[in-house]
Amino acid sequence: QVQLVESGGGVVQPGRSLTLSCAASGFTFSSYVMHWVRQAPGKGLEWVAILWFDGSNEYYADSVKGRFTISRDNSKNTLYLQMNSLRAEDTAVYYCARARGAVTNALDYWGQGTLVTVSS
Amino acid sequence: DIQMTQSPSSLSASVGDRVTITCRASQGISNYLAWYQQKRGKVPQLLIYAASTLQLGVSSRFSGGGSGTDFTLTISSLQPEDVATYYCQKYNSPPPFTFGPGTKVDIK
Repeated sequence: QVQLVESGGGVVQPGRSLTLSCAASGFTFSSYVMHWVRQAPGKGLEWVAILWFDGSNEYYADSVKGRFTISRDNSKNTLYLQMNSLRAEDTAVYYCARARGAVTNALDYWGQGTLVTVSS
Repeated sequence: DIQMTQSPSSLSASVGDRVTITCRASQGISNYLAWYQQKRGKVPQLLIYAASTLQLGVSSRFSGGGSGTDFTLTISSLQPEDVATYYCQKYNSPPPFTFGPGTKVDIK
């Protein structure tokens, strides 16, 4: 069965960096577009970033552009989110999610999420 | 960027009621619209994609409609297990793949 397992969350000081990982299993990871979505405490869903199945294209929300980098290692079935210059407003549960089928599509499988808290 | 709005922001209805949530895009997005359900403390679940196609395993109580800028999610007969927040998301290119602000559904 499809599984997405995020890791790497924790408490980090403002201005510091953190890298999240998402380990995928149960499907051919290298054939799917992947996303990161976040949810601040008590708030709605916010799309963060997308990466094409082969890593050829990536896009970011304006709120993280220039600070976050999405990447993947298809040999390890793993998606990453490198987060630099973290701010208090980046505090959220971060979900990785798989796009169903074609390049731009709905998100049919989500991980359980990993909490990132940015605080001094 | 295309903005997504939802109405109402919350609603309370009785078991068995027909419930409709509206999602509006600031520009046309054809049918590149998905609906998600998120129960309290849980992970979002895909309900509907391509505006009206039910995701495998989702109850037929849920249905979606619309195209262009105006979309609806309907629960034909509200059940206690439908208490959740519902989000729409546009997924046509170009990014960003914006979510709506959510509609919280409760039982009266």
